[in-house]
Amino acid sequence: TQLLEQSPQFLSIQEGENLTVYCNSSSVFSSLQWYRQEPGEGPVLLVTVVTGGEVKKLKRLTFQFGDARKDSSLHITAAQPGDTGLYLCPSTLGAGGFKTIFGAGTRLFVKA
Amino acid sequence: DAGITQSPRHKVTETGTPVTLRCHQTENHRYMYWYRQDPGHGLRLIHYSYGVKDTDKGEVSDGYSVSRSKTEDFLLTLESATSSQTSVYFCAISDRVGTDTQYFGPGTRLTVL
Repeated sequence: TQLLEQSPQFLSIQEGENLTVYCNSSSVFSSLQWYRQEPGEGPVLLVTVVTGGEVKKLKRLTFQFGDARKDSSLHITAAQPGDTGLYLCPSTLGAGGFKTIFGAGTRLFVKA
Repeated sequence: DAGITQSPRHKVTETGTPVTLRCHQTENHRYMYWYRQDPGHGLRLIHYSYGVKDTDKGEVSDGYSVSRSKTEDFLLTLESATSSQTSVYFCAISDRVGTDTQYFGPGTRLTVL
């Protein structure tokens, strides 16, 4: 059984600060996605990473996939109140499988 | 935004009553999913569909059934609602198995009294 952990569980910061959240698995990810979910809405995809060591940037967000494909990080530079939300990193086990596992996520609150 | 709607958006019902939630998509995606989201548990897969009339169980399927009679609609039924099924329910769609992007609907907040 794959264990998926996200840390920290909750983060409250001031606007302009930098932050990093983490996603760790006990097994190798076949692929890893980061989603952001705002209150009262469904999750929205931010990025998908597939290759170990891969780094993707989306404006102020930098996503890194671990070399061993068992962990990932999301770094936000100069956080803004609009970054507030629940950050999720589901993973899908095995090719052709439907077993997408979601962790409890990291809840980020950016204060103006 | 992917064309996914869920109905109703909010529902309050009583224990023991049947409840049906509807997910409708306009993207013609093959795969559809039902999740529930509860504090501390993240999103958990209830059932999924890989084609019309093709469905299978997820990790928390007890007490739920699904049906998919056409590509665009995926129904989730609680045959006899219980208080433990109070949750927010999300439908998702994708056009590839598992590893590809899942697009989520806006959710249905269900309260079972």
